[in-house]
Amino acid sequence: EAQVTQNPRYLITVTGKKLTVTCSQNMNHEYMSWYRQDPGLGLRQIYYSMNVEVTDKGDVPEGYKVSRKEKRNFPLILESPSPNQTSLYFCASSFLGGGEFKLFFGSGTQLSVL
Amino acid sequence: GENVEQHPSTLSVQEGDSAVIKCTYSDSASNYFPWYKQELGKRPQLIIDIRSNVGEKKDQRIAVTLNKTAKHFSLHITETQPEDSAVYFCAASRGSGTYKYIFGTGTRLKVLA
Repeated sequence: EAQVTQNPRYLITVTGKKLTVTCSQNMNHEYMSWYRQDPGLGLRQIYYSMNVEVTDKGDVPEGYKVSRKEKRNFPLILESPSPNQTSLYFCASSFLGGGEFKLFFGSGTQLSVL
Repeated sequence: GENVEQHPSTLSVQEGDSAVIKCTYSDSASNYFPWYKQELGKRPQLIIDIRSNVGEKKDQRIAVTLNKTAKHFSLHITETQPEDSAVYFCAASRGSGTYKYIFGTGTRLKVLA
């Protein structure tokens, strides 16, 4: 089954404790991206990647890191989480080209930073 | 900076009525406009999209219209059903030939039975 898999679904942590949210897709998509969803603010892009070893900042990259060492994986790293990073996070992937840019989203990670 | 404004933030309609959600974008170079539906507790899913060289696109009960001159686009849902209840997000590409979206802030649609 074609899917984007995120883990964990729920995460509660404390300020300053490094964490990683994993994202993996099995559709051989070139493009992968991370978004955060906050009430009243919609979906805001954190980072995206056009291919292996190619990453770029989105609209709200501060406090986050990413890496794309393999095509299927795109982990999101919070080196020193803070309470303002409490949010619902989505990973997404897509093919590039072909006239359509359809994002396939993971099931989301609800992060609470205390 | 570029932004996408979406209205209304909430919308309630009677089952069988039509619903219209409107978005306005600021980047005149935007050329791709998708709409995503997010049911409660679920992930967003693409329901329809339109490119800037097309003025209207339909898919069964859903249609999207685009007015490039006015820089706004709208989602139209006809004959609404309870399963249409969800949050709908519009988005616009940031510039032409890029793969960065700017999402609107979302519209919570409630279809009343």
